[in-house]
Amino acid sequence: GAVVSQHPSRVICKSGTSVKIECRSLDFQATTMFWYRQFPKQSLMLMATSNEGSKATYEQGVEKDKFLINHASLTLSTLTVTSAHPEDSSFYICSARGDFGYTFGSGTRLTVV
Amino acid sequence: LAKTTQPISMDSYEGQEVNITCSHNNIATNDYITWYQQFPSQGPRFIIQGYKTKVTNEVASLFIPADRKSSTLSLPRVSLSDTAVYYCLVGFWMDSSYKLIFGSGTRLLVRP
Repeated sequence: GAVVSQHPSRVICKSGTSVKIECRSLDFQATTMFWYRQFPKQSLMLMATSNEGSKATYEQGVEKDKFLINHASLTLSTLTVTSAHPEDSSFYICSARGDFGYTFGSGTRLTVV
Repeated sequence: LAKTTQPISMDSYEGQEVNITCSHNNIATNDYITWYQQFPSQGPRFIIQGYKTKVTNEVASLFIPADRKSSTLSLPRVSLSDTAVYYCLVGFWMDSSYKLIFGSGTRLLVRP
């Protein structure tokens, strides 16, 4: 149990386009979703926290207009990287929190060319 | 300010026991402490989770003192394949918001 499906696992997009990453809890209700970003040789940095039905809380330095987070249901959260640039190339991973604790998706490697 | 602290790197030899400590002064009261392993170009992989005292599974042990301000991941007999980065993951309450934060990571190198 407690599976989180994240897709796509890899995506390459052109500079200036937008990319949507989905994080879905398959067998539990996720009251809270966390989104992280990891640059090479660095730790996983919390970008934002979202609770179902309310606006996401963004960490300092994360542009909320660039990284759009939607958590419209208890099983789905999406992160949209708008007007992506090469510096947005990174590993993005979500975590869903349920009654039991939390579990992670498998991550999305975004490359902006 | 909530913060986790881990050693940047550690070296060991095959067959040795390795202990990695994470300090987390302001951990959320009712939260678990979780440790992850990460290989290059892969997502973090769950190792072990605990709330207090000691937890052991088939790959590691986790020691948590009574004040829960730190935790120590113990890998009993490391092998070359344990070379990886190890992260603690802890929840904090900050500005009335709950945040799940990774430590900075400890890069473990196991030598033959």
